[in-house]
Amino acid sequence: GQQLNQSPQSMFIQEGEDVSMNCTSSSIFNTWLWYKQDPGEGPVLLIALYKAGELTSNGRLTAQFGITRKDSFLNISASIPSDVGIYFCAGQNPGTYKYIFGTGTRLKVLA
Amino acid sequence: NAGVTQTPKFQVLKTGQSMTLQCAQDMNHNSMYWYRQDPGMGLRLIYYSASEGTTDKGEVPNGYNVSRLNKREFSLRLESAAPSQTSVYFCASSEWGSGNTDTQYFGPGTRLTVL
Repeated sequence: GQQLNQSPQSMFIQEGEDVSMNCTSSSIFNTWLWYKQDPGEGPVLLIALYKAGELTSNGRLTAQFGITRKDSFLNISASIPSDVGIYFCAGQNPGTYKYIFGTGTRLKVLA
Repeated sequence: NAGVTQTPKFQVLKTGQSMTLQCAQDMNHNSMYWYRQDPGMGLRLIYYSASEGTTDKGEVPNGYNVSRLNKREFSLRLESAAPSQTSVYFCASSEWGSGNTDTQYFGPGTRLTVL
C-alpha cells in the first residue's frame, strides 16, 4: 500500500526554539493537510496546501507543498508550551476522496 | 455551528456484542469518513462516503459496516465486536471548496474498549 513517512517521530525542544518536521510519500499528492491533536481530542486542521511549491503561514506555523508533490514540511517558530501535542500530515491522491495519514510527530516543549 | 459531532464519547463492549457509532456534521459537506486511531499507527481509513447514497471501503474495513443515512449523518456499525477493535474512532467530513480544493474536519472521537 501507499506509504507516507513522517519524521521525526518525536522531539523535545526548549521553549523559544524553532521546530521543523516533514512528510514524504511514495507517490504524488494534490493536497497536503497538517493537523495538531491534543490528548483526548480529535485532530484540528492547521494548514491546507493545494499547489506544488505553495508556502502558507498560520501565525507561527509555516508549511510548504514540495515541488515534487511527494513531500511537505511544517515549521513552528518560537515554540511555546501550548505547542505540545501530536502533529499529523495527510495527503490526498489526485482524483480520489481518500486521505493517507502520517504516523505523527510528538512534540514536547520544555519551558 | 457544532462542526462534526460523535456519540458516544466512550463505550465498553464485551466480545461479540454489537453497537453503532453515530456521526453528524452541520457544514453541508458531501463527503464523510470513518477512521480508527491506534497507538503508533496514525489514522487509518475504515470506510468513506464520497456523497449521499454512496459508500466505499477504506484501508481496514473488515468487521465494520456503514450507513450514510442522509447528507448530515454517517454511522459505523460493529456487528460482533472483537478485542482487536479496541481503538479510538474518528468521524470526519470534507467538501470541495473553490478552485478544486478540499479540507477535512474531524469530530472529537469515540473511545471504544472491547473486553
